[in-house]
Amino acid sequence: KQEVTQIPAALSVPEGENLVLNCSFTDSAIYNLQWFRQDPGKGLTSLLLIQSSQREQTSGRLNASLDKSSGRSTLYIAASQPGDSATYLCAAPIMDSNYQLIWGAGTKLIIKP
Amino acid sequence: GAGVSQTPSNKVTEKGKYVELRCDPISGHTALYWYRQSLGQGPEFLIYFQGTGAADDSGLPNDRFFAVRPEGSVSTLKIQRTERGDSAVYLCASSLVSTGTQYFGPGTRLLVL
Repeated sequence: KQEVTQIPAALSVPEGENLVLNCSFTDSAIYNLQWFRQDPGKGLTSLLLIQSSQREQTSGRLNASLDKSSGRSTLYIAASQPGDSATYLCAAPIMDSNYQLIWGAGTKLIIKP
Repeated sequence: GAGVSQTPSNKVTEKGKYVELRCDPISGHTALYWYRQSLGQGPEFLIYFQGTGAADDSGLPNDRFFAVRPEGSVSTLKIQRTERGDSAVYLCASSLVSTGTQYFGPGTRLLVL
């Protein structure tokens, strides 16, 4: 059974710092892994999707890596800004599925001006 | 439309009542998903549609929950005899194909009194 864990549950850093959010999963036979952002009272916005054959994906100041052998993914945010404050969730498919996502509980990120 | 839309945005009902939640996916997306999210948790998978058919309804908690997508576009999640434990945010997502990025709507916040 796929389980997804995110550490830390919350993180507060000063503006401008680079930071890393962690996601671990128990079943390495995943089809892909996705990182999402959720703002209070709003839906989820997809940030990056990493296919199982890829090691990393980049979008602007965001870089996500995937290490299937260790069951880990990281989301790196460079030069953090107050607008980056949100909850970040990672999700991976269950075994034998490429669509049914199992989610971490998220990391609540606060960037202090 | 430009994105996934969900109506209503908020729904307050009394225990035992029937509710319908609507999802309008991105035009052309064949895959549609329903999730439920409780406070402080990641989303929980409910059901996946491929076209008009429910390809996987294994996440529906019990037979009070039912969903339809009669024309392969708009979907309705139906909850009978609502219970206080059904209170959550119900999220809908769509994707072009089952392996692709899932795009989420803003959710319907359901409160059962």
